[in-house]
Amino acid sequence: GAVVSQHPSWVICKSGTSVKIECRSLDFQATTMFWYRQFPKQSLMLMATSNEGSKATYEQGVEKDKFLINHASLTLSTLTVTSAHPEDSSFYICSAPQPGGTEAFFGQGTRLTVV
Amino acid sequence: AQRVTQPEKLLSVFKGAPVELKCNYSYSGSPELFWYVQYSRQRLQLLLRHISRESIKGFTADLNKGETSFHLKKPFAQEEDSAMYYCALNVRFGAGTRLTVKP
Repeated sequence: GAVVSQHPSWVICKSGTSVKIECRSLDFQATTMFWYRQFPKQSLMLMATSNEGSKATYEQGVEKDKFLINHASLTLSTLTVTSAHPEDSSFYICSAPQPGGTEAFFGQGTRLTVV
Repeated sequence: AQRVTQPEKLLSVFKGAPVELKCNYSYSGSPELFWYVQYSRQRLQLLLRHISRESIKGFTADLNKGETSFHLKKPFAQEEDSAMYYCALNVRFGAGTRLTVKP
């Protein structure tokens, strides 16, 4: 099946710094990617839809200036957590649907810890 | 608004027993419904989608538009079925149900 890879798998950063998380579709092109946030023992919460070549669409309540999304190519979307704070610590997951299909493939996730 | 509800956070059955994980949805359009599974220390993966009407690992799920449900069923649970199961409406996920199959 199709592969979606996230990098890094985990990151620790200091409060006030910014962190970039990459999501790559390795063997297919993805015009759309999705970013989720998952709190411990909770479900995946859709944060935003990343669209190649255009602005991301954010879900209600998600700060677009806080979570910057860039989808510069058909195989790469990035999520930058700006001026991170401890409450931003979470598990971030991306997914991408394979072209022509409805199934979404998921990255392995990135655990962000802000200290 | 799109909403998907999984009423059971935890479900425990014995090996060989039938299992049903419930999923209800709310959507004004034509829904695309999926079941995803996450085994321990693994990434999320697709288990079933309603349009394919297939059986995967013995699991089936039927879309009932009248009851707005998409329950996941398996007649004889196995220990290796223990995992977290998520019902998804388009790209939105339910809260998930942790299934434990006891020996």
